[in-house]
Amino acid sequence: DAGITQSPRHKVTETGTPVTLRCHQTENHRYMYWYRQDPGHGLRLIHYSYGVKDTDKGEVSDGYSVSRSKTEDFLLTLESATSSQTSVYFCAISEGTGLGEQFFGPGTRLTVL
Amino acid sequence: AQSVTQPDIHITVSEGASLELRCNYSYGATPYLFWYVQSPGQGLQLLLKYFSGDTLVQGIKGFEAEFKRSQSSFNLRKPSVHWSDAAEYFCAVGPAGGTSYGKLTFGQGTILTVHP
Repeated sequence: DAGITQSPRHKVTETGTPVTLRCHQTENHRYMYWYRQDPGHGLRLIHYSYGVKDTDKGEVSDGYSVSRSKTEDFLLTLESATSSQTSVYFCAISEGTGLGEQFFGPGTRLTVL
Repeated sequence: AQSVTQPDIHITVSEGASLELRCNYSYGATPYLFWYVQSPGQGLQLLLKYFSGDTLVQGIKGFEAEFKRSQSSFNLRKPSVHWSDAAEYFCAVGPAGGTSYGKLTFGQGTILTVHP
């Protein structure tokens, strides 16, 4: 299995609080991605990174920001969490040109009350 | 914009029966195509992928998929389903080439239930 960990694995928070999710990889892959998974929607891309300090928005980026200061870490921040951000969040990585397969982490279940 | 449709939200089959999960995509050129499987509470695992060449691709766990350009489809098949195949299956499409950065678009998923 690809070396991808996500922390925390579960989190319950209140509306309006900031939340940061961490993705850590040991594969030295260049590309990293954050998705959210919601019933009936499959996985939707929030943000992605194509190198250290190189990030861009995905399909559903409103309310989220990311940072990548090291190859191995990709942080997803909810500046002020809302109930609509209750979801399961997955990190994924991809090597090389980023045109190949993605390897997924175990996910973080976030509940915003 | 690219899109992926999995018409079947939920499929139920008996153990030992054959299986076909449908996937249709919309994209202006030949895409890269993937099938992933997700067991309950787990991340996604790649079953198989199509980049080019032979349109029938083999994957892990006895799965195969056929790319049909004329139908914009990439259906997943298995000749004999095992109870352990019960999971959610996702089809995904990615642009072949360009500065896509490997971004994938996923279908809504198909939940497979296997009856003994």
